[in-house]
Amino acid sequence: EAQVTQNPRYLITVTGKKLTVTCSQNMNHEYMSWYRQDPGLGLRQIYYSMNVEVTDKGDVPEGYKVSRKEKRNFPLILESPSPNQTSLYFCASRLNSYNEQFFGPGTRLTVL
Amino acid sequence: EDKVVQSPLSLVVHEGDTVTLNCSYEVTNFRSLLWYKQEKKAPTFLFMLTSSGIEKKSGRLSSILDKKELFSILNITATQTGDSAVYLCAVEIQGAQKLVFGQGTRLTINP
Repeated sequence: EAQVTQNPRYLITVTGKKLTVTCSQNMNHEYMSWYRQDPGLGLRQIYYSMNVEVTDKGDVPEGYKVSRKEKRNFPLILESPSPNQTSLYFCASRLNSYNEQFFGPGTRLTVL
Repeated sequence: EDKVVQSPLSLVVHEGDTVTLNCSYEVTNFRSLLWYKQEKKAPTFLFMLTSSGIEKKSGRLSSILDKKELFSILNITATQTGDSAVYLCAVEIQGAQKLVFGQGTRLTINP
């Protein structure tokens, strides 16, 4: 089944403890993105990647890192999480800019 | 600054009504406008619009783009309780994989 998977789906952690949220797609898509969704603010793009080893900042990249070492995986890294990074995170992928974007199921992160 | 604004933010109607959701935008370099439906999980794709005046339809849903006035509408006719969701509008910026989303419209259909 064609899909975008994220892990973990739920995470409660403490300030400063490094964490990684994994994202994987099995559709051979070129483009992948990370978003956070907060009430009243909608979805905001954190980082995106147009191909392996090609990443760029979105609108809210501060406090996040990404890597794209293989086409299928696009992990989101929080080196030192803070409470203002408590949010719902979505990974997404698309074949190219002419096609729809598929979203993963979301990761609900709480930083205490 | 690129901006996408949706209205209304919230809408409650009765089953069978027709609704119109609005999305206006101000972006540096427009490529396309996308509509998504979000229930209690990930957004699901509805439409992608790139050309002005060409209506896209899928069942009871339809959408159209006006690139001169910089807005799009999403129409839902004969609404059903299953249409209750948050509807998201996003604009893709030319030359980048950047998608700018609006705040969403929360639509509630009462039986």
